[in-house]
Amino acid sequence: ETGVTQSPTHLIKTRGQQVTLRCSSQSGHNTVSWYQQALGQGPQFIFQYYREEENGRGNFPPRFSGLQFPNYSSELNVNALELDDSALYLCASSLGGRLAYSYEQYFGPGTRLTVT
Amino acid sequence: GDSVTQMEGPVTLSEEAFLTINCTYTATGYPSLFWYVQYPGEGLQLLLKATKADDKGSNKGFEATYRKETTSFHLEKGSVQVSDSAVYFCALRDNTNAGKSTFGDGTTLTVKP
Repeated sequence: ETGVTQSPTHLIKTRGQQVTLRCSSQSGHNTVSWYQQALGQGPQFIFQYYREEENGRGNFPPRFSGLQFPNYSSELNVNALELDDSALYLCASSLGGRLAYSYEQYFGPGTRLTVT
Repeated sequence: GDSVTQMEGPVTLSEEAFLTINCTYTATGYPSLFWYVQYPGEGLQLLLKATKADDKGSNKGFEATYRKETTSFHLEKGSVQVSDSAVYFCALRDNTNAGKSTFGDGTTLTVKP
């Protein structure tokens, strides 16, 4: 059974640029959530995709967008990067549906984004 | 909205000491509660969970009991090891808002030999 993988591991971008981060979910999971983890803080929920549709969103501006593909892998896109976007971006996969809240999430190792 | 409050760290203990990390929460619905552990340079790993009041989650010697009356989910271990040194996060998944997870800010544990 393959775990959650993310790419790239590290990324350095300039303010104003755009970035795409990728996540492959664990086999059998149909839900992917994205989190932003600033240094020294807990992860903050960005949004969640269930069966290719966004079904939950945190307090992040529209320049944070995403996709989920038929194989349940996912992308996180961030436009017009700002210095404060520098963080560890975590992807988590799980089962979804009505009982989603009772299922654990399996996290990938994260992508470290640095914006200069 | 939902929130999770963890005891502030860092926490430094000697090997074989007793560990308690406090966690309290507020939630609009009926949450499930989780403890995750993060080792340096890695993502989060699930340590244990509890899905309803009075449930006890346990794993690798760690335990936590879902206390609805005190809205708490304190993490305990009777005898810590150097290998337990990590950052520990308390989290909840609510049955509203698509089951998004809300995390505390984490507690850094250092165990000295």
